[in-house]
Amino acid sequence: GEDVEQSLFLSVREGDSSVINCTYTDSSSTYLYWYKQEPGAGLQLLTYIFSNMDMKQDQRLTVLLNKKDKHLSLRIADTQTGDSAIYFCAETLHTGGFKTIFGAGTRLFVKA
Amino acid sequence: EAQVTQNPRYLITVTGKKLTVTCSQNMNHEYMSWYRQDPGLGLRQIYYSMNVEVTDKGDVPEGYKVSRKEKRNFPLILESPSPNQTSLYFCASSIGLAGSTDTQYFGPGTRLTVL
Repeated sequence: GEDVEQSLFLSVREGDSSVINCTYTDSSSTYLYWYKQEPGAGLQLLTYIFSNMDMKQDQRLTVLLNKKDKHLSLRIADTQTGDSAIYFCAETLHTGGFKTIFGAGTRLFVKA
Repeated sequence: EAQVTQNPRYLITVTGKKLTVTCSQNMNHEYMSWYRQDPGLGLRQIYYSMNVEVTDKGDVPEGYKVSRKEKRNFPLILESPSPNQTSLYFCASSIGLAGSTDTQYFGPGTRLTVL
């Protein structure tokens, strides 16, 4: 079946790196995404990676994809208090249609 | 301003009373989608639409209906709401198919409580 799993909480100190991990089960995913949700707001796309890539860097964000282990991670360098939010991992499946499956979200706490 | 709007933002209703949550986008996007967000479960896709008059079920379509009579609007209909449909609902749209680099733009959310 299709499933995306993430740990629910992560706490880091300001200035440290944060690493948020995600595992998925469906190998037919085409794109994998990281979204950020701030309190009371909708979701904002942070970055994405195509399933035939293994790494993507975008300023403070680094996405690593291990397709063999079906493992995706998001590293935030020099984490700031403004990075406190819920981060969702998501995959889009191309199986007769286009479905997007989200993880439960990882709540990142950044301590000053 | 490019945006996805949803109405109402908050709604408290009773079991069995039909309701519609509207969603509208002004970006001429082809792809639109509805999600519900529940604690510990993340977002689950209810229905999506790849174009006018083309809709398809997501992961949790039971108890919901949608329509796409025009490109900009994608209402979510609950014919007979039940308490297990109490949730936070998000509408989203993107230029093309969600299986691409096209960003999905999310609406602000509708918090629905069914008593």
